[in-house]
Amino acid sequence: RKEVEQDPGPFNVPEGATVAFNCTYSNSASQSFFWYRQDCRKEPKLLMSVYSSGNEDGRFTAQLNRASQYISLLIRDSKLSDSATYLCVVNRGTALIFGKGTTLSVSS
Amino acid sequence: NAGVTQTPKFQVLKTGQSMTLQCAQDMNHEYMSWYRQDPGMGLRLIHYSVGAGITDQGEVPNGYNVSRSTTEDFPLRLLSAAPSQTSVYFCASKVQGAHGYTFGSGTRLTVV
Repeated sequence: RKEVEQDPGPFNVPEGATVAFNCTYSNSASQSFFWYRQDCRKEPKLLMSVYSSGNEDGRFTAQLNRASQYISLLIRDSKLSDSATYLCVVNRGTALIFGKGTTLSVSS
Repeated sequence: NAGVTQTPKFQVLKTGQSMTLQCAQDMNHEYMSWYRQDPGMGLRLIHYSVGAGITDQGEVPNGYNVSRSTTEDFPLRLLSAAPSQTSVYFCASKVQGAHGYTFGSGTRLTVV
């Protein structure tokens, strides 16, 4: 079993839709959690950190449940520019462990 | 500030050849890592370093060597290239205590 597992996707949604991505991790010693965004053939870029209290950045909301080892990302009012692959990432202290990613395609 | 610089951007190797992928950062980051990304596999950790002189293996270290003689540089060596090493390689770095890593733009390697 992979250490970080994500929804397989792809997600195809119209502009303005709300979309949610889920992720689970298996190592309870994981220290911190993130969502990264990766555009086609580009490097990953940090989208946001994820905290147990939940955190919001504009249209993006992330949530962590340590008890069930579950991470989520909610995107509201999807834009064409949100089309990308979203990577669930766990920090084990010395390096990052990535999920395989979920591809989002937003259409007009 | 150039960030994380990877060279070359593209490379084609013949099976059995050796080469070094370069990674340099000018942000005085202690932590540096190498990942490979293959279709359907996501990014997998090859080797990482928490400071000059300190390196450790990640998930897929076989066939690769690293060294960290300076804070700035973290080269990845392919000892004897194999077609299975065809991939996109990313180098990343961060300062201790920071949340996010900064990634280089990647090296696309093809082994024929």
